[in-house]
Amino acid sequence: DTAVSQTPKYLVTQMGNDKSIKCEQNLGHDTMYWYKQDSKKFLKIMFSYNNKELIINETVPNRFSPKSPDKAHLNLHINSLELGDSAVYFCASSQEVVANTGELFFGEGSRLTVL
Amino acid sequence: GENVEQHPSTLSVQEGDSAVIKCTYSDSASNYFPWYKQELGKRPQLIIDIRSNVGEKKDQRIAVTLNKTAKHFSLHITETQPEDSAVYFCAASSYFGNEKLTFGTGTRLTIIP
Repeated sequence: DTAVSQTPKYLVTQMGNDKSIKCEQNLGHDTMYWYKQDSKKFLKIMFSYNNKELIINETVPNRFSPKSPDKAHLNLHINSLELGDSAVYFCASSQEVVANTGELFFGEGSRLTVL
Repeated sequence: GENVEQHPSTLSVQEGDSAVIKCTYSDSASNYFPWYKQELGKRPQLIIDIRSNVGEKKDQRIAVTLNKTAKHFSLHITETQPEDSAVYFCAASSYFGNEKLTFGTGTRLTIIP
C-alpha cells in the first residue's frame, strides 16, 4: 500500500492551460505539504496544511491554489500555466503539526512540463 | 527566515572511500537537522536526523555531526557503495512556531566502482 500517492505522475500541457495534481496519504498524518523541485533539484516548500487548515503559504503566485477536502487529501490546482511552472511537484505528509520534529513522507512526484 | 547552504554540489568518490557533505544554517533558533536521500527519479527519503541537544549521531555507515556554535552540520558516509549514489539534501528547522523545513541545495554523490 502506497503511503503517499499523487496523480498524475506525468503531465504535459500547453502554456495558459489549467491543471490539477491530486495527493492522498493513508498514514493518518495531520499535516500535508506541496514542494516544488526545479531542474536544479532545489526543493522548496509551497504550502502546508494541518487538518485541512492552511498553515504555511510561501510566496507562491495566486495561480497556484491548494485545496484540502479532508486531512488525507491535498490537491494543487494551477491556473494559466507558464513555462517556469515546469518542475516536479512533490506532495508530502508528516505526523507532527510542523515538519520540524518528524519525518516527511514524500509522494513519488508529479513531473509537469509546460510547452 | 532560515537559509541553508550546502557543499559541495557534486562529489565523486571511489567505492569504499568516505564521503562528507557539509551544511551551514543561518537561524540560531534552528534545532532540528534532517538529511534526505533522493535516488534518481525517486522521492526524497529521510536517512538520518539530529537534534540540537546532540553533537553526533550514527547509524551503521552514516553519521551526522552538529556544531551549534559554528552553525554547521555534516553528513559522513563511510565504506561507500554504489547504492549510495544519489542526491543528498540537508535541512534545518526550529521546534517552535510554524517554521518550515528549509532544504539545502543538494549534493549529487557519485560512487565510482
